[in-house]
Amino acid sequence: GDSVTQMEGPVTLSEEAFLTINCTYTATGYPSLFWYVQYPGEGLQLLLKATKADDKGSNKGFEATYRKETTSFHLEKGSVQVSDSAVYFCALLGGKLIFGQGTELSVKP
Amino acid sequence: NAGVTQTPKFQVLKTGQSMTLQCAQDMNHEYMSWYRQDPGMGLRLIHYSVGAGITDQGEVPNGYNVSRSTTEDFPLRLLSAAPSQTSVYFCASQSRTSGVETQYFGPGTRLLVL
Repeated sequence: GDSVTQMEGPVTLSEEAFLTINCTYTATGYPSLFWYVQYPGEGLQLLLKATKADDKGSNKGFEATYRKETTSFHLEKGSVQVSDSAVYFCALLGGKLIFGQGTELSVKP
Repeated sequence: NAGVTQTPKFQVLKTGQSMTLQCAQDMNHEYMSWYRQDPGMGLRLIHYSVGAGITDQGEVPNGYNVSRSTTEDFPLRLLSAAPSQTSVYFCASQSRTSGVETQYFGPGTRLLVL
């Protein structure tokens, strides 16, 4: 069945560092892909999405490109801030919404 | 507008005890869902509801009951807790006219079953 795999965390970075969180998926058909973010003490929020191959989703300085050839949707940000510390979830929507296991990001000043 | 609220934030139970996890939303959303999240795994759907009086099973429904008597509330009941139910539980809601990816999530309830 469909599945999503994320890189293991926690990821610890210094402020202004470049961020990549890897996400790969397995799916039949052409799913939509998403990144969610969960800030401490809050619920998950949709961060960005891409609905077809080569689409780039972006929001709050984060970007991810739907790569069908490598079945990937890696999350990137050029310069992280302390306020980006959170847990990030990759997800796909085929017949149902399927989440990855989440990657914790900690950004130090 | 509080969004989706969940109580309690954290709970410890002994095996065999029962409890109810509360979930409420004030956005008049028709759809509500319960997920669990276990270490190293993504969120998995337990039960969902498309409106008051209507519920259905998700991917991992065993050991859990739900009911939906009002639009606002969607409690999750554990009738006889087991250590395998130690997890973080998320409630979510959405409007029936929006996509499932736009669900609003609560902050979660951490449950430890000893």
